[in-house]
Amino acid sequence: GESVGLHLPTLSVQEGDNSIINCAYSNSASDYFIWYKQESGKGPQFIIDIRSNMDKRQGQRVTVLLNKTVKHLSLQIAATQPGDSAVYFCAETYGNEKLTFGTGTRLTIIP
Amino acid sequence: GAVVSQHPSWVICKSGTSVKIECRSLDFQATTMFWYRQFPKQSLMLMATSNEGSKATYEQGVEKDKFLINHASLTLSTLTVTSAHPEDSSFYICSAGRLVGETQYFGPGTRLLVL
Repeated sequence: GESVGLHLPTLSVQEGDNSIINCAYSNSASDYFIWYKQESGKGPQFIIDIRSNMDKRQGQRVTVLLNKTVKHLSLQIAATQPGDSAVYFCAETYGNEKLTFGTGTRLTIIP
Repeated sequence: GAVVSQHPSWVICKSGTSVKIECRSLDFQATTMFWYRQFPKQSLMLMATSNEGSKATYEQGVEKDKFLINHASLTLSTLTVTSAHPEDSSFYICSAGRLVGETQYFGPGTRLLVL
């Protein structure tokens, strides 16, 4: 079946550096992608989204890049802070509301 | 806006009892809500889609008689874990979207521990 997966299960980044979290998806029909942040013991929190008619979208300190040719999605976090430590999930959907989640990447910020 | 709440946040129960978890959209109406289950260090697994005024749609492998879902209003969906057993212990999370085709907003989750 279709799936969304992440290349790196863990990522450690020095505080102040930029972080890049990657995600591969297999359903070429996917038209909407979302990044969520989940802190320990909490529900996922929306970070940023992007539709398939775009290849880049920026938010506050975050940028999502979409490469439909290779079915790859990435989340860039600028100037990472201790509060950025969490598990990050990508999710995709295609035409309906059901989300398919990736396996998650744990981001650890080194002081 | 787009706040989703869950109650309770955690529950401990004895094996064989039933547990009800509530999911509410606080500042918007949601004709569709979703229930997920998450084991430690794993991703979210969709259990079912809760539809206001109609039966829930369950994912393959999820027992509908075990996990009863009721979506009685546009702001409330409930998940009842019937005759809970220790293997039902997990983190249960609900989500809802304001508009079709837009992002879902998640509740804070309910941690269930069955002894």
